[in-house]
Amino acid sequence: EDQVTQSPEALRLQEGESSSLNCSYTVSGLRGLFWYRQDPGKGPEFLFTLYSAGEEKEKERLKATLTKKESFLHITAPKPEDSATYLCAVQAYYGQNFVFGPGTRLSVLP
Amino acid sequence: ETGVTQTPRHLVMGMTNKKSLKCEQHLGHNAMYWYKQSAKKPLELMFVYSLEERVENNSVPSRFSPECPNSSHLFLHLHTLQPEDSALYLCASSQDIRGGAADTQYFGPGTRLTVL
Repeated sequence: EDQVTQSPEALRLQEGESSSLNCSYTVSGLRGLFWYRQDPGKGPEFLFTLYSAGEEKEKERLKATLTKKESFLHITAPKPEDSATYLCAVQAYYGQNFVFGPGTRLSVLP
Repeated sequence: ETGVTQTPRHLVMGMTNKKSLKCEQHLGHNAMYWYKQSAKKPLELMFVYSLEERVENNSVPSRFSPECPNSSHLFLHLHTLQPEDSALYLCASSQDIRGGAADTQYFGPGTRLTVL
């Protein structure tokens, strides 16, 4: 059974304090790993798709990396507006559906 | 963000009411999805439609009834709901890529449903 776990459950950072979020997954053949950002009461906003181990993608202060068992979302010098819940999902090679992790709730304090 | 829209944004209903949620996508996609998001739980897939045909129904109670009249519109008809059905209901769409390439899903803003 495909599974996704995320850690930590919640993370508080001071503005400018860099850190990483972890997404660990078990899937029978990875078709894609996805990162989303979700603000309270809103729908998830797409950030990145990663396809294979070793791949990296960047957007502003965010950088996502992928290995065969996990993905990291690195946040460099975060700002208060980066506060949100970050969701990770995987899509298996044989299927269409996503399996989502529970998310990491990030708070960046000024 | 106007790629996927949902109405209404908020809905309060009694257990005996009948209501419908609407989703519309403007991205030219062929697949549409309904998800349920409850507090402290991962997103739960409810229904998947590909080219207007239902391809997945994850054992959702019959009090939830989906309808997909065309590839741009998706409805979720609700009747005799329970208080535990209160949640954020999210619609998503994707290109429906086949053959191995990852198929990114794009989400709407959600409908916050409260069942009294």
